Amino acid sequence: GAGVSQSPSNKVTEKGKDVELRCDPISGHTALYWYRQSLGQGLEFLIYFQGNSAPDKSGLPSDRFSAERTGGSVSTLTIQRTQQEDSAVYLCASSHLAGGPYEQYFGPGTRLTVT
Amino acid sequence: DAKTTQPTSMDCAEGRAANLPCNHSTISGNEYVYWYRQIHSQGPQYIIHGLKNNETNEMASLIITEDRKSSTLILPHATLRDTAVYYCIVRKENNNDMRFGAGTRLTVKP
Repeated sequence: GAGVSQSPSNKVTEKGKDVELRCDPISGHTALYWYRQSLGQGLEFLIYFQGNSAPDKSGLPSDRFSAERTGGSVSTLTIQRTQQEDSAVYLCASSHLAGGPYEQYFGPGTRLTVT
Repeated sequence: DAKTTQPTSMDCAEGRAANLPCNHSTISGNEYVYWYRQIHSQGPQYIIHGLKNNETNEMASLIITEDRKSSTLILPHATLRDTAVYYCIVRKENNNDMRFGAGTRLTVKP
């Protein structure tokens, strides 16, 4: 079946502009995650959605970052007033909670470049 | 979640077994060991996970020591397409995030 998809695949923006990144999780997956990966680094957790529960925003680096998940499916990560240090690959993952340990399925990522 | 330690890089000959070690000496009883890999310019891919017992699937085998302080991911017959960064992650059953470290860069050579 279809995997996690993200759009756009690449985004170049000017410093100070706002950007929106989209994630379409695997159908039926109730959990959705956003991570970012700077060049040559490991993944950094940003935010987590699970069903109708309040999202876990503990990883968001600043109040310029926000995310929504509409209808329990598609999610949008918004970065306001982008800075050069926001340049990274933003990865989305989804998983199906089945009451136990579960694996996350990742999308291909959106490469954000802030000039 | 417990911290993991992995070698920065490893080489393996094509067709041979690749054995990737991971130390997690501070692991607690309810924490699982997960392995993911990331091929260049792609999102991470789940490989396998385990709690206490050794596990095997179509991709790999996971060997966890009896004291659970270390584990080894085994790719039985490495191919060039297995060249990737391999991440060992330890986390509690229902934690929200996967804390990826720097991983091990495995290079499979012909």
